[in-house]
Amino acid sequence: EAEVAQSPRYKITEKSQAVAFWCDPISGHATLYWYRQILGQGPELLVQFQDESVVDDSQLPKDRFSAERLKGVDSTLKIQPAELGDSAMYLCASSTTGIGGYTFGSGTRLTVV
Amino acid sequence: RKEVEQDPGPFNVPEGATVAFNCTYSNSASQSFFWYRQDCRKEPKLLMSVYSSGNEDGRFTARLNRASQYISLLIRDSKLSDSATYLCVVDPGRRALTFGSGTRLQVQP
Repeated sequence: EAEVAQSPRYKITEKSQAVAFWCDPISGHATLYWYRQILGQGPELLVQFQDESVVDDSQLPKDRFSAERLKGVDSTLKIQPAELGDSAMYLCASSTTGIGGYTFGSGTRLTVV
Repeated sequence: RKEVEQDPGPFNVPEGATVAFNCTYSNSASQSFFWYRQDCRKEPKLLMSVYSSGNEDGRFTARLNRASQYISLLIRDSKLSDSATYLCVVDPGRRALTFGSGTRLQVQP
């Protein structure tokens, strides 16, 4: 079964440091999403890509977060500087056309100390 | 008001019991609906789509009531392995999927 690859699985960083997460969607999936899930809550969208273009980044804290998908395949999400409140699971998902259910990667669990 | 609201639970039920979860959504223009399952510290996984006519998948039945804007999930003959958080998910149309906060189910022996 095709998978969405994410790395790293776990990341511990000190506040004010920079951190980056990587995602490789299922081959052929044009739409890629980054979600953040705080413990006890549901995933919340940070950014949506269609190929290499950003479709929705309205909930992305742009003063510290950035995301790119340069060649329309894999994607990187960066936080600089990290804050304690950024501790969460960062989930990447992909879909073929943006319609229907998504496939999630296993996520990156970030702890900011 | 949240776009998707769920009772967080936990629902503690014995093995073999029938349990039902409800979810309400605020956007009447929502197009599609799903239930996802999420095990502790794992990623969400699609459990089933919810169709207007209602649908079943084995022990799981999903229902949609567009007039009242709620979705339900019924699990029959609960198994220990059904213990998880169940996320109600709504496609608002022209935006990414919106997730509820989840309902936690604990099936006890």
